[in-house]
Amino acid sequence: AQSVSQHNHHVILSEAASLELGCNYSYGGTVNLFWYVQYPGQHLQLLLKYFSGDPLVKGIKGFEAEFIKSKFSFNLRKPSVQWSDTAEYFCAVNTNYGGSQGNLIFGKGTKLSVKP
Amino acid sequence: DTEVTQTPKHLVMGMTNKKSLKCEQHMGHRAMYWYKQKAKKPPELMFVYSYEKLSINESVPSRFSPECPNSSLLNLHLHALQPEDSALYLCASSYTRGGAFSGNTIYFGEGSWLTVV
Repeated sequence: AQSVSQHNHHVILSEAASLELGCNYSYGGTVNLFWYVQYPGQHLQLLLKYFSGDPLVKGIKGFEAEFIKSKFSFNLRKPSVQWSDTAEYFCAVNTNYGGSQGNLIFGKGTKLSVKP
Repeated sequence: DTEVTQTPKHLVMGMTNKKSLKCEQHMGHRAMYWYKQKAKKPPELMFVYSYEKLSINESVPSRFSPECPNSSLLNLHLHALQPEDSALYLCASSYTRGGAFSGNTIYFGEGSWLTVV
């Protein structure tokens, strides 16, 4: 079965620290990859996505992610976090696999807490 | 405009009530989804509609009944719910239900917070 793993359950950083959140998926075929953010009490918002082409994708609010096919990874990065980045971050994948085609498979999420 | 609109934003209902959640999009998307999200958990897929036809029901109890009246609207009818059904219900849509070759982005609404008492 396909799965998405986010290794960090809770990350605590100080403002201006650099961020990297890990995401690995288990599917050998073509994938579309997404990072969504959910601020406290709010809905899911798309941060960035990878479909094809340049494996380094840039999203909103200074976030970027790198797709490394050989490692089945799509890690999220930000050079300098702000207090307002405090949120839950979800990695998600869309594959061509059978009945899951077109549906998003989510990781369990990483809670980011940024201390002012 | 990448907007999925859900109503109501908050709903409190008793276990014997019948209520409905509504979702609307005007992006011309032909795939629409219902997800359920419990606190501090990722969204879980409930139903998928593709071209107004139900294509996936992820073993959801019959007390949840989806309906897609047209390509822009998606409803979730609720009846005889249990307190453990309290959650954030997210509607989403995408251009088609295509897999990774399609390059679809799935857009989420703000959700309906449901509390069953």
